[in-house]
Amino acid sequence: DAGVIQSPRHEVTEMGQEVTLRCKPISGHNSLFWYRQTMMRGLELLIYFNNNVPIDDSGMPEDRFSAKMPNASFSTLKIQPSEPRDSAVYFCASSPPGQGARGYTFGSGTRLTVV
Amino acid sequence: GNSVTQMEGPVTLSEEAFLTINCTYTATGYPSLFWYVQYPGEGLQLLLKATKADDKGSNKGFEATYRKETTSFHLEKGSVQVSDSAVYFCALSDSGGYQKVTFGTGTKLQVIP
Repeated sequence: DAGVIQSPRHEVTEMGQEVTLRCKPISGHNSLFWYRQTMMRGLELLIYFNNNVPIDDSGMPEDRFSAKMPNASFSTLKIQPSEPRDSAVYFCASSPPGQGARGYTFGSGTRLTVV
Repeated sequence: GNSVTQMEGPVTLSEEAFLTINCTYTATGYPSLFWYVQYPGEGLQLLLKATKADDKGSNKGFEATYRKETTSFHLEKGSVQVSDSAVYFCALSDSGGYQKVTFGTGTKLQVIP
């Protein structure tokens, strides 16, 4: 099992550009979470999908952020336009049916720098 | 709402010293409690968990006991190693719904030889 796979590992972009982060959850996991980690705010849940459907997007900071899960094996988090304050490490996590937090597996994260 | 409070870091210890990282929580109902560990450049990994009062979670020499009366879940290890250097996160999840997880701010541990 390859675990949760995120790409790219590092992304440096200029302010105003569109950024797309990608996540492949573990096969068989039906819950997917996007988190953002910064020194100031720690770990913040951005959005949660269950069976490919967004269930809780209350953590998405603003309309510049959008997330999709077109199928069980792929999700994207898009920022358009990007701003320097979006610089952070973005983590994707997945969990098997019925296990919730007990079954969380995190990816290695994407470190985003917006200059 | 739910919240988790961890002791401020960084914590610096000599190898073989005793470790305690304090964690207290605020939650309604009966949450499950977790400790996660994050090594440099990696995602979080579940270290241990406890799902009800007085449960003790343990893994790799680390332990934490779910204390409902003091709303605490302190992490302990009797003898730390250099390889334990990492950031440790206390977390809780709701007992209902989709078990949304609330994380503490993390405590950085540095173990020196």
